[in-house]
Amino acid sequence: DIQMTQSPSSLSASVGDRVTITCQASQDIAHYLNWYQQKPGKAPKLLVYDASTLQIGVPSRFSGSGSGTDFTFTINSLQPEDVATYYCQQYDHLPLTFGGGTKVEIK
Amino acid sequence: EAQLVESGGGVLQPGGSLRLSCAASGFTFHDYTMHWVRQLPGKGLEWVSLVNWDGSSTFYADSVKGRFTVSRDNSKNSLYLQMNSLKTDDSALYYCAKDLMARTYYYGMDVWGQGTTVTVSS
Repeated sequence: DIQMTQSPSSLSASVGDRVTITCQASQDIAHYLNWYQQKPGKAPKLLVYDASTLQIGVPSRFSGSGSGTDFTFTINSLQPEDVATYYCQQYDHLPLTFGGGTKVEIK
Repeated sequence: EAQLVESGGGVLQPGGSLRLSCAASGFTFHDYTMHWVRQLPGKGLEWVSLVNWDGSSTFYADSVKGRFTVSRDNSKNSLYLQMNSLKTDDSALYYCAKDLMARTYYYGMDVWGQGTTVTVSS
């Protein structure tokens, strides 16, 4: 199975800060990576697919980049409504696997 | 608007069986692979199973292989997960989710239900 390692596991930042989350795959997954946002008590929401393509309706302050084994998810100008846990997920091979999540809080 | 509504969760003892259902609306159900994903209490996400758009192919996580069976009824816009020989480790919130791309085996999950809770305890 492909292991997905996210870091950090949690972070605290101020409103307006730039926030960066990294995700590392245990093997080359090309660009087959998605990012999800899960707010407390809610289902996950797809934000980015194909490593860098923003899902329809997702604010442009969110972005993704990377390929191969190393990926980055960025929130430019953190907003209070961005408090959530963020997950990466690979779809290069079954089983589909998720990273452990990064909990983002407001300082 | 695409919508998924799960049902069938409950509390049961180890070794028991349960059938989860997921009712889909607002999209052409028969064009999309459907997934089951679970989340243990306070933990991360674990992909469980998928069934392709016409039901001809199914795949499972090793942790449930041989115990869980995924199926769909395109005439009823419904997805199912038959769970047998349940273990305490299967206790989780179970989500059904729609794949992002039509007629692809797996890509990403762009529509999720609200989840249904399964608790396995003696």
